[in-house]
Amino acid sequence: AQTVTQSQPEMSVQEAETVTLSCTYDTSENNYYLFWYKQPPSRQMILVIRQEAYKQQNATENRFSVNFQKAAKSFSLKISDSQLGDTAMYFCAFRYSGAGSYQLTFGKGTKLSVIP
Amino acid sequence: DTGVSQDPRHKITKRGQNVTFRCDPISEHNRLYWYRQTLGQGPEFLTYFQNEAQLEKSRLLSDRFSAERPKGSFSTLEIQRTEQGDSAMYLCASSPRDREAYEQYFGPGTRLTVT
Repeated sequence: AQTVTQSQPEMSVQEAETVTLSCTYDTSENNYYLFWYKQPPSRQMILVIRQEAYKQQNATENRFSVNFQKAAKSFSLKISDSQLGDTAMYFCAFRYSGAGSYQLTFGKGTKLSVIP
Repeated sequence: DTGVSQDPRHKITKRGQNVTFRCDPISEHNRLYWYRQTLGQGPEFLTYFQNEAQLEKSRLLSDRFSAERPKGSFSTLEIQRTEQGDSAMYLCASSPRDREAYEQYFGPGTRLTVT
């Protein structure tokens, strides 16, 4: 079974600064996907970024980028030029890429506060 | 573009009562998922449908829980004989027909409180 660990329950960052959220995972699988989801206060969860394990290049989506270290089983999220709208719970998630398996395994989340 | 909708948004029930939640996925999405999220935790997978077929079930889904998706469109999640430990946010998500189905689109959730 896969496990996902987010060791930072809460973090804060000044507006316009950069922050990195940590995530480690444990799996015996070789082919999988990793995701960061954002859950704003009282709003629904949305996908921020994904990474396919077979790709060496780190994924980037505008101000969001990841540092994927497969051997270390580490998947951190970097948010550049933080904005007030980035305030949210951030969840790291794992999904096996085998046929027919679509369930996501989530970490406990990191609550990020962006301070004006 | 209509997102995933869930009804009701909040439900308060007494222990021992039955409750039913509804999820309407994004139109044309053939995959539908249920998750449960308790306070301070990430969502935990409960079950997954592809069209009307229930293909995955978590061991978290005890005999008191049942989910259906009769026509491959909306889905219902029923909890019988509710217990206080069932208090949680119940999230529904859907994803499109493409093979990889990378992104799961989440609804706003139904918050259940069992008193």
